Amino acid sequence: EIVLTQSPGTLSLSPGERATLSCRASQSVSSSYLAWYQQKPGQAPRLLIYGASSRATGIPDRFSGSGSGTDFTLTISRLEPEDFAVYYCQQYGSSQDTFGQGTKLEIK
Amino acid sequence: QLQLQESGPGLVKPSETLSLTCTVSGGSISSSSYYWGWIRQPPGKGLEWIGSIYYSGSTYYNPSLKSRVTISVDTSKNQFSLKLSSVTAADTAVYYCARPVITMTLGGFDPWGQGTLVTVSS
Repeated sequence: EIVLTQSPGTLSLSPGERATLSCRASQSVSSSYLAWYQQKPGQAPRLLIYGASSRATGIPDRFSGSGSGTDFTLTISRLEPEDFAVYYCQQYGSSQDTFGQGTKLEIK
Repeated sequence: QLQLQESGPGLVKPSETLSLTCTVSGGSISSSSYYWGWIRQPPGKGLEWIGSIYYSGSTYYNPSLKSRVTISVDTSKNQFSLKLSSVTAADTAVYYCARPVITMTLGGFDPWGQGTLVTVSS
């Protein structure tokens, strides 16, 4: 099983600032099959990034994903008020998906 | 526009079997090469992949749940289903169905159903 560790657990920033979220895998993620999701209370997760760096349909370009192998990053270039939420990474490169434990992005 | 909708009992007794169905609309479950997935989220906790199924019936399961999980597909009804046996309170969660954005992959889910809360309690 590939274990994903997200850091930090909580990130406190202000609107307009840049957010950098990390996702580290216990072993290499095949074919960069790494996704990022945003989840707000009471809502289903929303796909932001798949294939490590491809933005999903309708996702603003302030969201970007990068990385390969075991280290991946989600960057939000300039935080908007609606970006404060919980973010999860997911690997799907093996025959068993796994999710990270999440990073809560909160308003400072 | 593809839409998914979970349905099933919201309350299940301990030791019984949880059964949920995901109905797909806006597209055919068998018309293209997608795996269809189940994911759950206990209250206040993170996401856990349960398993995925191809329209032909080929399945992948989370090893931690494999002994209790069965996922099946009914192409005539455009539905796929989840059964989880011998449930305990630890199985209380919001259960989601979803489809990957890319064919022949097991993740990168979009769209998702709205989710259904299943509580395990006597």
